[in-house]
Amino acid sequence: DGGITQSPKYLFRKEGQNVTLSCEQNLNHDAMYWYRQDPGQGLRLIYYSQIVNDFQKGDIAEGYSVSREKKESFPLTVTSAQKNPTAFYLCASSIRTGRSGANVLTFGAGSRLTVL
Amino acid sequence: EDKVVQSPLSLVVHEGDTVTLNCSYEVTNFRSLLWYKQEKKAPTFLFMLTSSGIEKKSGRLSSILDKKELFSILNITATQTGDSAVYLCAGGGATNKLIFGTGTLLAVQP
Repeated sequence: DGGITQSPKYLFRKEGQNVTLSCEQNLNHDAMYWYRQDPGQGLRLIYYSQIVNDFQKGDIAEGYSVSREKKESFPLTVTSAQKNPTAFYLCASSIRTGRSGANVLTFGAGSRLTVL
Repeated sequence: EDKVVQSPLSLVVHEGDTVTLNCSYEVTNFRSLLWYKQEKKAPTFLFMLTSSGIEKKSGRLSSILDKKELFSILNITATQTGDSAVYLCAGGGATNKLIFGTGTLLAVQP
């Protein structure tokens, strides 16, 4: 079955440590995204990538980094520079947009990061 | 600045009730309005609306878009406990980016 796999589902880290969240998709989608979800704030866009080897900052990119070396993979690194990293992180993908604009996003099951 | 506002923030109803969830948007070069249901983890897609005044329907759920008033509603009739979830509304512009609202938490009591 096609879908998006995020790992790990739960992750704990100490302050000052970097952590990388994995996101893999087998939907043959061109575009991939990382969102952060906090209580009462909905989903906020961290980074997105429309093609391999290219990505753009979203609304809250500070303290995060990404790479897009393969079409299937879009890992997110939460660095020690991120002030409030405890959150639920969702990865998503979509076909690349045309002139019609935004396309339907397919989401992974999420990774919950807790900083101790 | 683009924004999507949902109301109410939370809602408690009893099985069999009908509910209406609201979504207003301000999105540059608006193209589409999407609704998602999030039960525990991954949001699942419900509807995408691009044309004003055309209702989309799936079972007990329906949604309509008003592009003049920059507004959309999601209706759920004959609610069931399985409808309990966070319902997310998102606006899409000319790019791949979606702007999400904060969501409406719906609790359906037996």
